[in-house]
Amino acid sequence: GAGVSQSPSNKVTEKGKDVELRCDPISGHTALYWYRQSLGQGLEFLIYFQGNSAPDKSGLPSDRFSAERTGGSVSTLTIQRTQQEDSAVYLCASSLDQGLWEQYFGPGTRLTVT
Amino acid sequence: DQQVKQNSPSLSVQEGRISILNCDYTNSMFDYFLWYKKYPAEGPTFLISISSIKDKNEDGRFTVFLNKSAKHLSLHIVPSQPGDSAVYFCAARTGTASKLTFGTGTRLQVTL
Repeated sequence: GAGVSQSPSNKVTEKGKDVELRCDPISGHTALYWYRQSLGQGLEFLIYFQGNSAPDKSGLPSDRFSAERTGGSVSTLTIQRTQQEDSAVYLCASSLDQGLWEQYFGPGTRLTVT
Repeated sequence: DQQVKQNSPSLSVQEGRISILNCDYTNSMFDYFLWYKKYPAEGPTFLISISSIKDKNEDGRFTVFLNKSAKHLSLHIVPSQPGDSAVYFCAARTGTASKLTFGTGTRLQVTL
């Protein structure tokens, strides 16, 4: 079956603009995660959705970052008023359930803020 | 505060030899550890994991060792193959938390 897909694969934007990144998880996976990898850094947790529960937003670096998950499937990560330090690869992952540890990752969206 | 550390950014190993990738952690609440492998332009893929109640888990050519007292784990690949060349990330989670805390990765190059 299809894996996790993300779009766009690359995004270049000017400082101050808003961007939206999309994630399509594996069908049937109830848990969805967003991470980012900045240059030379490990993957940094951003936000986690599980079913209809309130999302865990503890990793969002500022209030410019928000995410939503519609219908328990597709998720959109929005970054408002982008800054150069937002440049990173944004990775989405999904897992069958919160209790199962294997997270399947998408290929990521490379965001460059100029 | 880097709770999961991979102090070697890169490692080069000859084909057929053993590759040993190391990972240290500081949070004693971590109870499950994972290794992910990442090729360029792809997302990380799960490789192997270990629970804190074990000290070793083996899967084919891959073995993960956990030393809780030293807060250290390692991934052994024997024998190393050119297709193993990738970036390897160590990750950890606590209790019922689902989010993973990752290290910065080690780039492994297996040479012919």
